[in-house]
Amino acid sequence: KQEVTQIPAALSVPEGENLVLNCSFTDSAIYNLQWFRQDPGKGLTSLLLIQSSQREQTSGRLNASLDKSSGRSTLYIAASQPGDSATYLCAVNTDSWGKLQFGAGTQVVVTP
Amino acid sequence: GAVVSQHPSWVICKSGTSVKIECRSLDFQATTMFWYRQFPKQSLMLMATSNEGSKATYEQGVEKDKFLINHASLTLSTLTVTSAHPEDSSFYICSARDLDEGYTFGSGTRLTVV
Repeated sequence: KQEVTQIPAALSVPEGENLVLNCSFTDSAIYNLQWFRQDPGKGLTSLLLIQSSQREQTSGRLNASLDKSSGRSTLYIAASQPGDSATYLCAVNTDSWGKLQFGAGTQVVVTP
Repeated sequence: GAVVSQHPSWVICKSGTSVKIECRSLDFQATTMFWYRQFPKQSLMLMATSNEGSKATYEQGVEKDKFLINHASLTLSTLTVTSAHPEDSSFYICSARDLDEGYTFGSGTRLTVV
């Protein structure tokens, strides 16, 4: 059974610092991995989607890497801003139906 | 980009009544939609996979008679919480898969049963 773990569970950094969020999964047979952002009481906003054949994806200040063999993905957020404060979730798709398995998330607070 | 509209965003109902939540894909067709439940400070728990034109597939431990799912068209799936009780109070989120953009999520529905 696929298990997805996110470390740390919570993170607080001063504005301007780079953020490093980790996601690990136990079954390397994945179709893709996706990073999401969730603000309190809101739905999920997709940040980056990495297909199993890809090593990384970039969008603006965000960069996500994927190492299938070791079962890891890392989300980097450069030059953090208070607006980056949110919970970040990673999810893997290991099912042909497309079901996602989520990690518990990392709650990020960026202080001004 | 792909957009999923979920309605209502919040609802308060009396114990014993039923509540319907709608999930629409606005600019793409979704043969498969997913329904999740999220408790405070926890991650999303998949409840069921909704397939257009066929019965939904429920995850283990989810009561299919309590959480009725209908996916009558390629752009609409509904979740009906029947005979709701306070323990059904939660945040419900739907998602749909777009082949190019991955998974797009609705904005969620906060259900409070009093």
